[in-house]
Amino acid sequence: NAGVTQTPKFQVLKTGQSMTLQCAQDMNHEYMSWYRQDPGMGLRLIHYSVGAGITDQGEVPNGYNVSRSTTEDFPLRLLSAAPSQTSVYFCASSSPGLAGMSETQYFGPGTRLLVL
Amino acid sequence: SQKIEQNSEALNIQEGKTATLTCNYTNYSPAYLQWYRQDPGRGPVFLLLIRENEKEKRKERLKVTFDTTLKQSLFHITASQPADSATYLCALPYSTLTFGKGTMLLVSP
Repeated sequence: NAGVTQTPKFQVLKTGQSMTLQCAQDMNHEYMSWYRQDPGMGLRLIHYSVGAGITDQGEVPNGYNVSRSTTEDFPLRLLSAAPSQTSVYFCASSSPGLAGMSETQYFGPGTRLLVL
Repeated sequence: SQKIEQNSEALNIQEGKTATLTCNYTNYSPAYLQWYRQDPGRGPVFLLLIRENEKEKRKERLKVTFDTTLKQSLFHITASQPADSATYLCALPYSTLTFGKGTMLLVSP
């Protein structure tokens, strides 16, 4: 199993450009999430999905779109990049546990994004 | 609002000693609590989960306690090694799984 994979590993964008961060998992997990991690801020949830066709907003969703057409893939789209979106982005997947809450999260290696 | 607090200052200890990291939370009674390890440039890796009805959980040199009255979890690494140097995150299931900011542990030879 490859686990959770993310591409690209590193990306530089200019303000206003759009791009898609790719995330895939091969563990047949129902739940997938996108986090961003900034110095001093910790991991913050952007969007998450509890199954194909179902997505919801997390703590910091503005400026990001997601879709979940398959169990395996959960791409994150930046429609018009801003310098405030410079961050490290992590995708994670998990299975539902107690009361439907996700338990062990498996994280990808991250995408480092720099917006100039 | 819900809040998770981990010591923002790095913890420096000598090899062989026991490292103890703290996770405090407010305004909530979580069904469980998790600890993750994160190395520089990598994603977090799950270490342990402890449920609200468990006082203590062990895995090799790791021990986690969960005091729901104090709203606190302690994470211990016994016989610490330089390879244990990393940032350790606690996480609780609020509406979604929410992470603390993490504490960096530095184990010197």
